[in-house]
Amino acid sequence: EAQVTQNPRYLITVTGKKLTVTCSQNMNHEYMSWYRQDPGLGLRQIYYSMNVEVTDKGDVPEGYKVSRKEKRNFPLILESPSPNQTSLYFCASSSTGGYEYTEAFFGQGTRLTVV
Amino acid sequence: RKEVEQDPGPFNVPEGATVAFNCTYSNSASQSFFWYRQDCRKEPKLLMSVYSSGNEDGRFTAQLNRASQYISLLIRDSKLSDSATYLCVVNNNNAGNMLTFGGGTRLMVKP
Repeated sequence: EAQVTQNPRYLITVTGKKLTVTCSQNMNHEYMSWYRQDPGLGLRQIYYSMNVEVTDKGDVPEGYKVSRKEKRNFPLILESPSPNQTSLYFCASSSTGGYEYTEAFFGQGTRLTVV
Repeated sequence: RKEVEQDPGPFNVPEGATVAFNCTYSNSASQSFFWYRQDCRKEPKLLMSVYSSGNEDGRFTAQLNRASQYISLLIRDSKLSDSATYLCVVNNNNAGNMLTFGGGTRLMVKP
């Protein structure tokens, strides 16, 4: 089954304690990205990756890091989480863009609370 | 000004009603347009693409007006199961396949 898998689904952590949210896709997609979703602000892109070892900032990258060492995995790293990073996070993948339509497939989401 | 704007709703409609959602986008270079559906606390899923000529999928019709930078979604004969948030999504293919989401329009279909 084609899917994007995020872990963990729920996480409560304390300010400053480094954490990693994993994301894995089995569709051999080149393009992966991370979003956060907050009430009234919608989905905002944090980082994206167009292929292995190629990453770039989205709209709200501050406080986050990513890596893309393998095509299937795109972890999101919070080196020193703060309460304003409390949010619902989604990982997404799609085949390479260009001028063709490419559907984005989303993981089930990770609800992060930083206290 | 947000890049993609939607009326947040909620739109409360009875079963069987026809409801229309609108969306405007600010980047005239945008290439692709979509409607995604998001159920409460779940991930967004593609509902349908939006083509310049307009397109229909069962009870759903999507329209694009590039001159006005306006996208619409029409749902006919609403079902209880249509209750969800509908996200207008714009893809500026020149920006690395970045999807820009509207804030979503919440629809509640009541018996």
